[in-house]
Amino acid sequence: EPEVTQTPSHQVTQMGQEVILRCVPISNHLYFYWYRQILGQKVEFLVSFYNNEISEKSEIFDDQFSVERPDGSNFTLKIRSTKLEDSAMYFCASSEVARDFGTDTQYFGPGTRLTVL
Amino acid sequence: AQTVTQSQPEMSVQEAETVTLSCTYDTSESDYYLFWYKQPPSRQMILVIRQEAYKQQNATENRFSVNFQKAAKSFSLKISDSQLGDAAMYFCAYRSLNNDMRFGAGTRLTVKP
Repeated sequence: EPEVTQTPSHQVTQMGQEVILRCVPISNHLYFYWYRQILGQKVEFLVSFYNNEISEKSEIFDDQFSVERPDGSNFTLKIRSTKLEDSAMYFCASSEVARDFGTDTQYFGPGTRLTVL
Repeated sequence: AQTVTQSQPEMSVQEAETVTLSCTYDTSESDYYLFWYKQPPSRQMILVIRQEAYKQQNATENRFSVNFQKAAKSFSLKISDSQLGDAAMYFCAYRSLNNDMRFGAGTRLTVKP
């Protein structure tokens, strides 16, 4: 069964450093998403991406965040200058757009645990 | 903005028994999707069940079923014949037609042998 993959599984970085989290969505999916989950808290939406542009973003997704689909398979989340509070689990998800009604289920990757020291 | 509320931070069930996890949501939309996701200790988010708001029939997936009450904006998950492997965090989620998705705070389910 196709699945969303994410690399690395765990990333440790120093405060102020840039990090890039990578995701490979399911191949025929057209919508892509990033979520984060601070330890012990609920999953929070960051951004959605469709047709090579951001379709929606939350208030969390400020100027230090950016997303990119650099090629036909990868979808990346960049954090330019990490802060301690960026430490969280970051989940990528993708969905296939349904033609007739609404949109399809989002399938999540296994997550990348980001630790900012 | 839509909000999703899970009023039970923790629930416990005896193995082989039935447990119901509650979820309510707030929306002004008439068409949307609802989901339950399971998050085991591995932290991966696993889809358990989904419900389209336009369908009156409650979704079922083997031991998992939902009680969808659209007028009450309630979407509870029932797990029958609970198994040790069901122990996890369970997140209720709402998704609008424009793919905006919101999660509840989660319910931690413990299954006692």
